[in-house]
Amino acid sequence: AQSVTQLGSHVSVSEGALVLLRCNYSSSVPPYLFWYVQYPNQGLQLLLKYTSAATLVKGINGFEAEFKKSETSFHLTKPSAHMSDAAEYFCAVSAAGGFKTIFGAGTRLFVKA
Amino acid sequence: NAGVMQNPRHLVRRRGQEARLRCSPMKGHSHVYWYRQLPEEGLKFMVYLQKENIIDESGMPKERFSAEFPKEGPSILRIQQVVRGDSAAYFCASSASGGVREDEQFFGPGTRLTVL
Repeated sequence: AQSVTQLGSHVSVSEGALVLLRCNYSSSVPPYLFWYVQYPNQGLQLLLKYTSAATLVKGINGFEAEFKKSETSFHLTKPSAHMSDAAEYFCAVSAAGGFKTIFGAGTRLFVKA
Repeated sequence: NAGVMQNPRHLVRRRGQEARLRCSPMKGHSHVYWYRQLPEEGLKFMVYLQKENIIDESGMPKERFSAEFPKEGPSILRIQQVVRGDSAAYFCASSASGGVREDEQFFGPGTRLTVL
């Protein structure tokens, strides 16, 4: 079975500071992992995905995530936060069989001026 | 290049009424997924459909909820005799292929259902 745990329901950073959003997963098969962003009253947009190729994955808007098998983690980072990054971020794992994606509870990112 | 479309964007129903939520997948996509998002929670999988077939409905409540994806037209999520606990955002996603774990799902903007 697969599951995802996002540490911290809310994260606040100053504009220009490092963004670090934590995600740990559990999977009985090699995981395929995703990060999505959701802006208020909108659907989810894919930021990046890990599919067993390079362990450091670069996504849109300057975000990247590193897959660490030994730590069962897939943390999302961005070197310098921008006000427009304020949103909710979801880590997700693709279930075995590929029929559904299992989402974490989400982390709301606040960016202070 | 239209993305996934959902309508209505907002739906208000009184307890006991029926709610119908529609989803048109991206052009060329024949796999549709429905998710429910309760306030302050992540998305929960409900059902996965291909044209005229329900492939996986393990996340659907056993009563009052049904889904279809006919040969022609949008996918429909139907909730009969709604209760206040059904108030949530319902998201539809589509993909070009199904059963492919790395395949990206493209999400619609969601329908926000409020039950009075």
